[in-house]
Amino acid sequence: DAKTTQPNSMESNEEEPVHLPCNHSTISGTDYIHWYRQLPSQGPEYVIHGLTSNVNNRMASLAIAEDRKSSTLILHRATLRDAAVYYCILRDPIGTDKLIFGTGTRLQVFP
Amino acid sequence: SQTIHQWPATLVQPVGSPLSLECTVEGTSNPNLYWYRQAAGRGLQLLFYSVGIGQISSEVPQNLSASRPQDRQFILSSKKLLLSDSGFYLCAWSGLAGFSVSSYNEQFFGPGTRLTVL
Repeated sequence: DAKTTQPNSMESNEEEPVHLPCNHSTISGTDYIHWYRQLPSQGPEYVIHGLTSNVNNRMASLAIAEDRKSSTLILHRATLRDAAVYYCILRDPIGTDKLIFGTGTRLQVFP
Repeated sequence: SQTIHQWPATLVQPVGSPLSLECTVEGTSNPNLYWYRQAAGRGLQLLFYSVGIGQISSEVPQNLSASRPQDRQFILSSKKLLLSDSGFYLCAWSGLAGFSVSSYNEQFFGPGTRLTVL
């Protein structure tokens, strides 16, 4: 499985945008980029995923570099509830739906 | 709607004792099922996944085993617990079993079991 690299931690103030980066220089042509987040003492929850084009949903936006070697999860207005560990994961759609989690980025949001 | 249950929520067990954690899914058929473990301060490690009854794949060599006796039931077991088995155990499911190419079935996680081995 291709590897992703994320900063260990980031900080933000409430109501400000947050850009969470992820490097995946060894991504293959068929790998999808997924983001999950894990709130304290809970299981992870799906945030967003994409292949080549930028994606938007009610939770966040995903900006994917043209060469696909990096991506950025964008929270447009951080809230205290967004404080969590954010995982960037590459998934090969051929085969099972298993996910290989890294260590993620711990996002702190200050009031 | 689909729901996933795990029990117990917390468990304290002595070293060398057996373990059985159960996970059940409601509201879907033929799901992919997964067991993850998260050691304190660490990321999630995939332990087992299953694409059907009796079909179990192990991701890492370990002291644990998994079984899927029914379509929506996934059990994690150990005959003798080690201290290193302590952690937060999470069960997850995703929609369609088997081969998926262009569609993505997000994984839904249960509430987890916090296991402490003393």
